[in-house]
Amino acid sequence: GQQVMQIPQYQHVQEGEDFTTYCNSSTTLSNIQWYKQRPGGHPVFLIQLVKSGEVKKQKRLTFQFGEAKKNSSLHITATQTTDVGTYFCAATGTASKLTFGTGTRLQVTL
Amino acid sequence: DAGVIQSPRHEVTEMGQEVTLRCKPISGHNSLFWYRQTMMRGLELLIYFNNNVPIDDSGMPEDRFSAKMPNASFSTLKIQPSEPRDSAVYFCASSPLGQITSGGLISTDTQYFGPGTRLTVL
Repeated sequence: GQQVMQIPQYQHVQEGEDFTTYCNSSTTLSNIQWYKQRPGGHPVFLIQLVKSGEVKKQKRLTFQFGEAKKNSSLHITATQTTDVGTYFCAATGTASKLTFGTGTRLQVTL
Repeated sequence: DAGVIQSPRHEVTEMGQEVTLRCKPISGHNSLFWYRQTMMRGLELLIYFNNNVPIDDSGMPEDRFSAKMPNASFSTLKIQPSEPRDSAVYFCASSPLGQITSGGLISTDTQYFGPGTRLTVL
């Protein structure tokens, strides 16, 4: 079945530093979604990418879908303490259901 | 819209007891998902429904778990009998657009998660 791996599992940065999490699939994807879960909260949808090589931005967040549609990344510029949480990718294969990645937990300190 | 509603928010029970978790999806959404989240296993999809019909329950851990969706506005996840290893946060999510693809599988639009039920089995 489809597997979706995220790296790193955990990252601790100082406020103002950049952060990137990567999502990799063993199969070609139809689309990929990103979610954020604050500590004690529930996953909240951030964005969906569909096209090969697509890049989307939300303020300090940049999302990218790989040319081969097998990987994706989320980059946060100049992190803030409000960025703390776990970031999940969720991928749908060409003939498979939405599968959540393992998540990257981000800790930001002053 | 109130969003996805789950109840109870917290449940503490003793091993062997029956537990029922409830979910009300967002009105108009045609897909509903049950997830379990633990530190060790992350976010696991247990079962999902499309237009009230269970499509894939391959994620249900064992026969002690069962889920129903009697109508478009209500679903339950039942554990009987419960065990300490069932302790986790259980999320329900709904999606406005789900469809059956080849092999009976489903692709889906954005999922909207409920606040979750934190289950502790002693």
